[in-house]
Amino acid sequence: GAGVSQTPSNKVTEKGKYVELRCDPISGHTALYWYRQSLGQGPEFLIYFQGTGAADDSGLPNDRFFAVRPEGSVSTLKIQRTERGDSAVYLCASSSDSNTGELFFGEGSRLTVL
Amino acid sequence: KQEVTQIPAALSVPEGENLVLNCSFTDSAIYNLQWFRQDPGKGLTSLLLIQSSQREQTSGRLNASLDKSSGRSTLYIAASQPGDSATYLCAVIQSYNTDKLIFGTGTRLQVFP
Repeated sequence: GAGVSQTPSNKVTEKGKYVELRCDPISGHTALYWYRQSLGQGPEFLIYFQGTGAADDSGLPNDRFFAVRPEGSVSTLKIQRTERGDSAVYLCASSSDSNTGELFFGEGSRLTVL
Repeated sequence: KQEVTQIPAALSVPEGENLVLNCSFTDSAIYNLQWFRQDPGKGLTSLLLIQSSQREQTSGRLNASLDKSSGRSTLYIAASQPGDSATYLCAVIQSYNTDKLIFGTGTRLQVFP
Protein backbone atom coordinates (compact mmCIF):
# COMPACT_ATOMS: atom_id res chain seq x y z
CA GLY A 1 0.00 0.00 0.00
CA ALA A 2 0.93 3.67 -0.18
CA GLY A 3 1.47 4.02 3.56
CA VAL A 4 1.41 2.15 6.85
CA SER A 5 -2.13 1.08 7.64
CA GLN A 6 -3.36 0.32 11.17
CA THR A 7 -6.67 -1.18 12.29
CA PRO A 8 -8.77 -0.54 14.23
CA SER A 9 -8.28 3.20 14.50
CA ASN A 10 -10.14 3.17 17.82
CA LYS A 11 -10.80 0.34 20.25
CA VAL A 12 -12.71 0.55 23.50
CA THR A 13 -12.62 -2.52 25.70
CA GLU A 14 -13.24 -3.56 29.27
CA LYS A 15 -10.58 -4.39 31.80
CA GLY A 16 -9.53 -8.02 31.53
CA LYS A 17 -10.42 -8.47 27.86
CA TYR A 18 -8.13 -9.58 25.04
CA VAL A 19 -7.25 -7.14 22.24
CA GLU A 20 -5.54 -7.47 18.85
CA LEU A 21 -4.17 -4.52 16.90
CA ARG A 22 -3.13 -4.92 13.28
CA CYS A 23 -0.42 -3.21 11.22
CA ASP A 24 0.03 -3.44 7.46
CA PRO A 25 3.42 -1.92 6.57
CA ILE A 26 4.54 -0.25 3.37
CA SER A 27 4.94 -2.88 0.68
CA GLY A 28 8.49 -4.18 0.54
CA HIS A 29 9.56 -2.82 3.93
CA THR A 30 11.36 -5.53 5.85
CA ALA A 31 11.56 -3.76 9.20
CA LEU A 32 8.47 -3.18 11.35
CA TYR A 33 8.18 -1.46 14.72
CA TRP A 34 5.55 -1.05 17.39
CA TYR A 35 5.52 1.99 19.67
CA ARG A 36 3.15 3.10 22.41
CA GLN A 37 2.30 6.73 23.05
CA SER A 38 0.59 7.93 26.21
CA LEU A 39 -1.10 11.33 26.37
CA GLY A 40 1.41 14.17 26.33
CA GLN A 41 4.40 11.87 25.90
CA GLY A 42 6.64 10.85 23.06
CA PRO A 43 6.27 7.34 21.63
CA GLU A 44 8.01 4.53 23.51
CA PHE A 45 9.52 1.55 21.74
CA LEU A 46 7.84 -1.83 22.21
CA ILE A 47 9.18 -4.30 19.64
CA TYR A 48 11.07 -4.44 16.35
CA PHE A 49 10.77 -7.08 13.61
CA GLN A 50 13.26 -7.74 10.86
CA GLY A 51 11.37 -10.00 8.48
CA THR A 52 9.41 -12.59 10.44
CA GLY A 53 11.53 -12.56 13.57
CA ALA A 54 11.44 -10.23 16.55
CA ALA A 55 14.92 -8.71 16.53
CA ASP A 56 14.33 -6.67 19.69
CA ASP A 57 11.39 -7.08 22.07
CA SER A 58 13.00 -5.28 24.99
CA GLY A 59 10.27 -2.64 25.13
CA LEU A 60 7.35 -4.97 25.80
CA PRO A 61 6.22 -4.01 29.32
CA ASN A 62 5.27 -7.53 30.51
CA ASP A 63 4.18 -10.96 29.32
CA ARG A 64 0.62 -9.80 28.63
CA PHE A 65 1.98 -8.17 25.48
CA PHE A 66 2.93 -10.24 22.45
CA ALA A 67 3.43 -9.49 18.75
CA VAL A 68 3.73 -11.64 15.66
CA ARG A 69 4.63 -11.17 12.03
CA PRO A 70 4.25 -14.67 10.58
CA GLU A 71 4.80 -13.92 6.89
CA GLY A 72 7.12 -10.94 7.20
CA SER A 73 4.47 -8.40 6.24
CA VAL A 74 1.38 -7.79 8.40
CA SER A 75 1.95 -7.72 12.15
CA THR A 76 -0.46 -8.16 15.03
CA LEU A 77 0.08 -6.79 18.52
CA LYS A 78 -1.79 -8.86 21.10
CA ILE A 79 -2.63 -7.72 24.60
CA GLN A 80 -4.07 -10.18 27.12
CA ARG A 81 -6.01 -9.34 30.28
CA THR A 82 -6.02 -5.63 29.46
CA GLU A 83 -5.58 -3.11 32.26
CA ARG A 84 -6.57 0.55 32.43
CA GLY A 85 -2.90 1.49 32.25
CA ASP A 86 -2.70 -0.07 28.79
CA SER A 87 -4.80 2.80 27.42
CA ALA A 88 -2.67 4.62 24.85
CA VAL A 89 -2.16 5.09 21.15
CA TYR A 90 -0.29 2.16 19.63
CA LEU A 91 1.78 3.23 16.65
CA CYS A 92 3.27 1.03 13.98
CA ALA A 93 6.15 2.04 11.70
CA SER A 94 8.08 0.41 8.90
CA SER A 95 11.33 1.04 7.10
CA SER A 96 13.14 -0.38 4.11
CA ASP A 97 16.39 -2.23 4.52
CA SER A 98 18.51 0.84 3.82
CA ASN A 99 21.25 2.72 5.60
CA THR A 100 19.14 5.77 6.31
CA GLY A 101 17.01 4.22 9.05
CA GLU A 102 14.09 6.49 8.15
CA LEU A 103 10.83 5.27 9.66
CA PHE A 104 7.33 5.80 8.29
CA PHE A 105 4.47 5.71 10.79
CA GLY A 106 0.82 4.76 10.59
CA GLU A 107 -1.90 6.84 12.21
CA GLY A 108 -2.11 4.58 15.20
CA SER A 109 -4.71 2.56 17.06
CA ARG A 110 -6.19 4.35 20.07
CA LEU A 111 -6.91 1.82 22.80
CA THR A 112 -9.14 2.73 25.73
CA VAL A 113 -9.53 0.24 28.56
CA LEU A 114 -12.50 1.00 30.81
CA LYS B 1 20.73 5.28 28.98
CA GLN B 2 19.89 7.75 26.23
CA GLU B 3 17.49 10.54 27.19
CA VAL B 4 16.02 13.06 24.77
CA THR B 5 14.70 16.41 25.96
CA GLN B 6 12.80 19.03 24.01
CA ILE B 7 12.47 22.68 24.94
CA PRO B 8 10.11 24.46 25.04
CA ALA B 9 7.27 22.08 25.80
CA ALA B 10 4.79 24.48 24.23
CA LEU B 11 5.04 27.57 22.07
CA SER B 12 2.42 30.01 20.79
CA VAL B 13 3.43 32.61 18.21
CA PRO B 14 1.83 34.93 15.65
CA GLU B 15 1.95 34.05 12.01
CA GLY B 16 5.13 35.06 10.16
CA GLU B 17 7.62 34.56 12.99
CA ASN B 18 10.79 32.53 12.56
CA LEU B 19 11.00 29.76 15.17
CA VAL B 20 13.65 27.59 16.78
CA LEU B 21 12.75 24.31 18.47
CA ASN B 22 15.42 22.64 20.58
CA CYS B 23 16.29 19.00 21.12
CA SER B 24 19.07 17.67 23.35
CA PHE B 25 20.28 14.13 23.95
CA THR B 26 22.55 12.77 26.67
CA ASP B 27 24.54 10.17 24.69
CA SER B 28 26.28 11.74 21.69
CA ALA B 29 27.03 8.35 20.07
CA ILE B 30 23.99 8.39 17.81
CA TYR B 31 23.49 6.95 14.34
CA ASN B 32 20.99 9.54 13.15
CA LEU B 33 18.37 12.01 14.35
CA GLN B 34 14.89 12.50 12.95
CA TRP B 35 12.35 15.29 13.34
CA PHE B 36 8.67 14.41 13.12
CA ARG B 37 5.42 16.31 13.04
CA GLN B 38 2.30 14.99 14.77
CA ASP B 39 -1.15 16.49 14.29
CA PRO B 40 -3.78 15.90 17.01
CA GLY B 41 -5.10 12.34 16.88
CA LYS B 42 -2.80 11.44 14.01
CA GLY B 43 0.37 9.46 13.46
CA LEU B 44 3.84 10.86 12.91
CA THR B 45 5.05 12.44 9.68
CA SER B 46 8.80 12.44 9.07
CA LEU B 47 10.11 15.94 8.35
CA LEU B 48 13.89 15.68 8.25
CA LEU B 49 16.49 13.02 8.92
CA ILE B 50 20.10 13.92 9.72
CA GLN B 51 22.79 11.27 9.59
CA SER B 52 25.46 11.45 12.30
CA SER B 53 28.01 12.55 9.71
CA GLN B 54 25.87 15.47 8.57
CA ARG B 55 25.51 18.93 10.09
CA GLU B 56 22.14 19.96 8.71
CA GLN B 57 19.25 19.16 6.42
CA THR B 58 16.78 21.49 4.72
CA SER B 59 13.30 21.00 3.33
CA GLY B 60 11.35 24.05 2.22
CA ARG B 61 10.90 26.38 5.20
CA LEU B 62 12.42 23.81 7.58
CA ASN B 63 16.06 23.51 8.50
CA ALA B 64 17.42 21.05 11.04
CA SER B 65 20.94 21.21 12.40
CA LEU B 66 22.89 18.65 14.38
CA ASP B 67 25.79 19.19 16.77
CA LYS B 68 26.54 15.65 17.82
CA SER B 69 29.44 16.44 20.12
CA SER B 70 27.31 18.74 22.26
CA GLY B 71 24.22 16.53 22.03
CA ARG B 72 21.95 19.09 20.41
CA SER B 73 19.73 19.57 17.41
CA THR B 74 17.58 22.50 16.41
CA LEU B 75 14.63 22.71 14.06
CA TYR B 76 14.28 26.11 12.45
CA ILE B 77 10.91 27.05 10.93
CA ALA B 78 10.94 30.13 8.73
CA ALA B 79 7.94 32.40 8.23
CA SER B 80 5.60 30.30 10.35
CA GLN B 81 2.01 29.69 9.20
CA PRO B 82 -1.13 28.55 11.05
CA GLY B 83 -0.83 25.24 9.17
CA ASP B 84 2.45 24.63 11.01
CA SER B 85 0.49 24.18 14.25
CA ALA B 86 1.25 20.67 15.53
CA THR B 87 3.50 18.81 17.94
CA TYR B 88 7.10 18.46 16.80
CA LEU B 89 9.05 15.44 18.03
CA CYS B 90 12.73 14.67 17.72
CA ALA B 91 14.08 11.16 18.00
CA VAL B 92 17.51 9.53 17.85
CA ILE B 93 18.69 6.12 16.71
CA GLN B 94 21.71 4.80 18.63
CA SER B 95 23.13 2.48 16.00
CA TYR B 96 22.41 0.95 12.63
CA ASN B 97 21.83 -2.48 14.18
CA THR B 98 19.03 -1.45 16.47
CA ASP B 99 16.98 1.05 14.46
CA LYS B 100 15.11 1.78 17.71
CA LEU B 101 14.02 5.40 17.96
CA ILE B 102 14.21 7.17 21.31
CA PHE B 103 11.82 10.10 21.36
CA GLY B 104 11.63 13.35 23.20
CA THR B 105 8.30 14.48 24.66
CA GLY B 106 7.74 17.04 21.90
CA THR B 107 7.13 20.74 21.48
CA ARG B 108 3.49 21.70 20.98
CA LEU B 109 3.40 24.62 18.54
CA GLN B 110 0.48 26.92 17.90
CA VAL B 111 0.73 29.59 15.20
CA PHE B 112 -2.16 32.05 15.26
CA PRO B 113 -3.25 34.31 12.39
